[in-house]
Amino acid sequence: KQEVTQIPAALSVPEGENLVLNCSFTDSAIYNLQWFRQDPGKGLTSLLLIQSSQREQTSGRLNASLDKSSGRSTLYIAASQPGDSATYLCAVDQGGSEKLVFGKGTKLTVNP
Amino acid sequence: DVKVTQSSRYLVKRTGEKVFLECVQDMDHENMFWYRQDPGLGLRLIYFSYDVKMKEKGDIPEGYSVSREKKERFSLILESASTNQTSMYLCASSAPRGLDTEAFFGQGTRLTVV
Repeated sequence: KQEVTQIPAALSVPEGENLVLNCSFTDSAIYNLQWFRQDPGKGLTSLLLIQSSQREQTSGRLNASLDKSSGRSTLYIAASQPGDSATYLCAVDQGGSEKLVFGKGTKLTVNP
Repeated sequence: DVKVTQSSRYLVKRTGEKVFLECVQDMDHENMFWYRQDPGLGLRLIYFSYDVKMKEKGDIPEGYSVSREKKERFSLILESASTNQTSMYLCASSAPRGLDTEAFFGQGTRLTVV
């Protein structure tokens, strides 16, 4: 059964710092991987989608990489801002189904 | 922009009531999902639908049922609400594989069963 792990569970950084969030998955037979952002009490906002054939995707200050063979993805946030404070979740669409399996998220706090 | 809309942000229901949570998407997506989110447990899939009138159980379907009579609407039904169903409920939609399969979520419904 696919398991998705995100480390660390929480992260606090000063404004302006570059940071990396980690996501690992146990079964490399995935179709794609998606990163989401969730603000307190709200739904999930899609940030980046990486297909299994891709190595990375970029959107503004965000860059997500995928190493399928090692079962890892990273989300790089450049020049962090207080508005980036949120919980970040990764999810994999595993082969054989179209259902997403989620990690439990990393709660990011960016201090002014 | 894709829009997934859940009918209520907050609901308070009594134990034993039949509860309907509604979700509508405007992108003509085939796939629709219902998740619940609890502290420490993350998001868990309740039910999944890949077409009108088609449904598949997720990881925690007990105590729930779903209805998909139209492509844009996916309803989650709590047959007899219990306090352990107090949770955040999240609806999502996506296109099938072969197309852009990015999943989009609604704003969530915070359900409290008293």
